[in-house]
Amino acid sequence: GQNIDQPTEMTATEGAIVQINCTYQTSGFNGLFWYQQHAGEAPTFLSYNVLDGLEEKGRFSSFLSRSKGYSYLLLKELQMKDSASYLCAANTGGFKTIFGAGTRLFVKA
Amino acid sequence: DAGVIQSPRHEVTEMGQEVTLRCKPISGHNSLFWYRQTMMRGLELLIYFNNNVPIDDSGMPEDRFSAKMPNASFSTLKIQPSEPRDSAVYFCASSLAIRGGADTQYFGPGTRLTVL
Repeated sequence: GQNIDQPTEMTATEGAIVQINCTYQTSGFNGLFWYQQHAGEAPTFLSYNVLDGLEEKGRFSSFLSRSKGYSYLLLKELQMKDSASYLCAANTGGFKTIFGAGTRLFVKA
Repeated sequence: DAGVIQSPRHEVTEMGQEVTLRCKPISGHNSLFWYRQTMMRGLELLIYFNNNVPIDDSGMPEDRFSAKMPNASFSTLKIQPSEPRDSAVYFCASSLAIRGGADTQYFGPGTRLTVL
């Protein structure tokens, strides 16, 4: 079967660091995406990992371990505008990408 | 540059009526995806096309749902007849297939469908 697990909600303080974890079990795997979705808006691309390791892009970093079926998204220097849902998505081969239910992040002052 | 365009943005209809959602992908993109998002089920892939050809429609919930892509710049998702449980936000996304399908998808603003 295909399954992606991530926490439902997280709360963090402005200026802090937060790590959002994602585990996946898929019949095939060809890369892991993270998307950000603000309430009432469309998902927007944040990162893509296909090899093990950490990819850094400004305040956001994403990590992948293929052997463990595990990824995380790290957000540094949190800002209020980072309050959103973060969707973990696995490409299972070809054009098929499966999305997790998303983690709602609340950033408080 | 214009992103993915969807219309209408909001649709309210009565049970039993036909609903047609429209999507214009980003120019030059060769893959198009239809998703449905609800609080209960999250973001579900319904169907995707590559070079205007449907590749996998296993996510289409029932025969009431159908999708077409007559050309590279237009796709429709039709629900006939509609039911209250079809109420959701329907997203269209497009991508340029470079990584064998594991490509960044660009989402349209979505159509919020309410079936009464």
